[in-house]
Amino acid sequence: LAKTTQPISMDSYEGQEVNITCSHNNIATNDYITWYQQFPSQGPRFIIQGYKTKVTNEVASLFIPADRKSSTLSLPRVSLSDTAVYYCLVGVTFSGGYNKLIFGAGTRLAVHP
Amino acid sequence: GAVVSQHPSRVICKSGTSVKIECRSLDFQATTMFWYRQFPKQSLMLMATSNEGSKATYEQGVEKDKFLINHASLTLSTLTVTSAHPEDSSFYICSAREANTEAFFGQGTRLTVV
Repeated sequence: LAKTTQPISMDSYEGQEVNITCSHNNIATNDYITWYQQFPSQGPRFIIQGYKTKVTNEVASLFIPADRKSSTLSLPRVSLSDTAVYYCLVGVTFSGGYNKLIFGAGTRLAVHP
Repeated sequence: GAVVSQHPSRVICKSGTSVKIECRSLDFQATTMFWYRQFPKQSLMLMATSNEGSKATYEQGVEKDKFLINHASLTLSTLTVTSAHPEDSSFYICSAREANTEAFFGQGTRLTVV
């Protein structure tokens, strides 16, 4: 499974756009990139998943360059409630199944008033 | 999204006793379930992966005789911490998925061994 590298922590202010970049140099051809959010004392929550280019849903956008060796999670206009740990995972796939879901260290995002 | 329910949400037990944690997929059939442990300020550590009707596959360093996992049906998996000790105190999280979907996580179980 491809190893991921993310910044340990980030700080932002309410209303700003936050971009969290994840490096995954050893990503395999069939690997998808998935981001999860975790609040203290809760299980992680799925945010977004993508394979290439750009994916957008109601809460975030995911930008993946052509070489797929990195990805950027973009959170538009963050609020205090977006303060959480964000995890980038590589190797999960929608189809064909996968055997493991391995979490890296994650990025601790703190949003300030 | 799909709902995964864990029970109990928190439990305190005496050292040497066993504790069972349940993980249920409420609105889908979970062909695969994962169990994690998380210590404060740390990431989730995968303990084991189980497929319905099969024995769990444990990660290196995880004692299968201490952490008993049963995935007897497509909606239920259990993790039993046997002969618990204070160092087993942690936040335990289950995750479940069915074919061709992302994984959904339970709300976690805070285990405190005294």
